[in-house]
Amino acid sequence: GAVVSQHPSWVICKSGTSVKIECRSLDFQATTMFWYRQFPKQSLMLMATSNEGSKATYEQGVEKDKFLINHASLTLSTLTVTSAHPEDSSFYICSASREIYNEQFFGPGTRLTVL
Amino acid sequence: AQTVTQSQPEMSVQEAETVTLSCTYDTSENNYYLFWYKQPPSRQMILVIRQEAYKQQNATENRFSVNFQKAAKSFSLKISDSQLGDTAMYFCAFRLNRDDKIIFGKGTRLHILP
Repeated sequence: GAVVSQHPSWVICKSGTSVKIECRSLDFQATTMFWYRQFPKQSLMLMATSNEGSKATYEQGVEKDKFLINHASLTLSTLTVTSAHPEDSSFYICSASREIYNEQFFGPGTRLTVL
Repeated sequence: AQTVTQSQPEMSVQEAETVTLSCTYDTSENNYYLFWYKQPPSRQMILVIRQEAYKQQNATENRFSVNFQKAAKSFSLKISDSQLGDTAMYFCAFRLNRDDKIIFGKGTRLHILP
């Protein structure tokens, strides 16, 4: 199979703090990982594309300094929301591409609530 | 730039009926991939079906099938013998290559009624 996990599954934090979300490919090496954001009852919006060992490519309108992405290994990418504010509250989903299957696999998502 | 349009925000059908979800897209590329994803209340994205643009034959996965009209840039999903577990948000999506981003439509919320 091809399993992607995210940790934590949900997190509540105070305004001004930073939160780190992990995305792991459990049984395969992912050359590319993607981070999406989904507001309630809306579609997924791509935030950035992450390649192992290189800087992430951010979509237009996404603040690089606010949403820090690190793809340190072929199985782990992290998204850090810095100085979080209530408007950052959302559902964050990662996906990872697997070479053999020419497919992207999605993690279960992380619900972030900023108080 | 590629775009994906789903014109049906919400649909309801009776259990066991057949339902068709519509999707159109726009691209100037000739080779690409189209997908239908299901997002149930758990919010886990589940791949329902995939179509490679170079294949003329419509993809089928058990009760799910697509009507792929490349010239018209249309990609509809048909669910036969609908079941209560089919209740979910359905997203039509487009992708060029494996490592390219997936572009999602706005989704269709499907309710299967008992």
